[in-house]
Amino acid sequence: DAKTTQPTSMDCAEGRAANLPCNHSTISGNEYVYWYRQIHSQGPQYIIHGLKNNETNEMASLIITEDRKSSTLILPHATLRDTAVYYCIVTYNTDKLIFGTGTRLQVFP
Amino acid sequence: EAGVAQSPRYKIIEKRQSVAFWCNPISGHATLYWYQQILGQGPKLLIQFQNNGVVDDSQLPKDRFSAERLKGVDSTLKIQPAKLEDSAVYLCASSLVVTNTGELFFGEGSRLTVL
Repeated sequence: DAKTTQPTSMDCAEGRAANLPCNHSTISGNEYVYWYRQIHSQGPQYIIHGLKNNETNEMASLIITEDRKSSTLILPHATLRDTAVYYCIVTYNTDKLIFGTGTRLQVFP
Repeated sequence: EAGVAQSPRYKIIEKRQSVAFWCNPISGHATLYWYQQILGQGPKLLIQFQNNGVVDDSQLPKDRFSAERLKGVDSTLKIQPAKLEDSAVYLCASSLVVTNTGELFFGEGSRLTVL
């Protein structure tokens, strides 16, 4: 699986968009980009995934660059409940996810 | 829909003792995973079951860890004897299908402290 690089931590004001970057410059053509988040004392929660096209669901949007070497998870209107660790995972083996250390997002009032 | 159930939520034991964790996946989910999450790190896959068969246990320390999934539903993860470095949260996850979704449903985890 391709290696991912994420900032260790980020801050975001409540109500503003949170843009979480992920670098995956060694991604190969058949690898997906997954995002999970983990709120304190809970298990990870699936957010979204994509291959080439941008994706949107009720939780977030995923923007993948044309060369697929990086992506951004967008939480359009962050709330305090979005404070969590966000994991970017790149894999072709969709039944075996390898988690890194993620980005700790702190949403402040 | 009920989520993935795990018990106990918390367990404190002395080193060299044994401990067991139980997981009940979402009904109908064929694939079940056990992950270990040490404080400050991301979850690490220990073992993956497809129904009641083991798909991958390459990261499971087999000298002390064992897991089973009888009848392809509930699963138990056992540690015997425990070491200090086994202090972690043990997460169980399940998924409906193996192909091209990558959507795993996690339980809240069982936090183990080894003294």
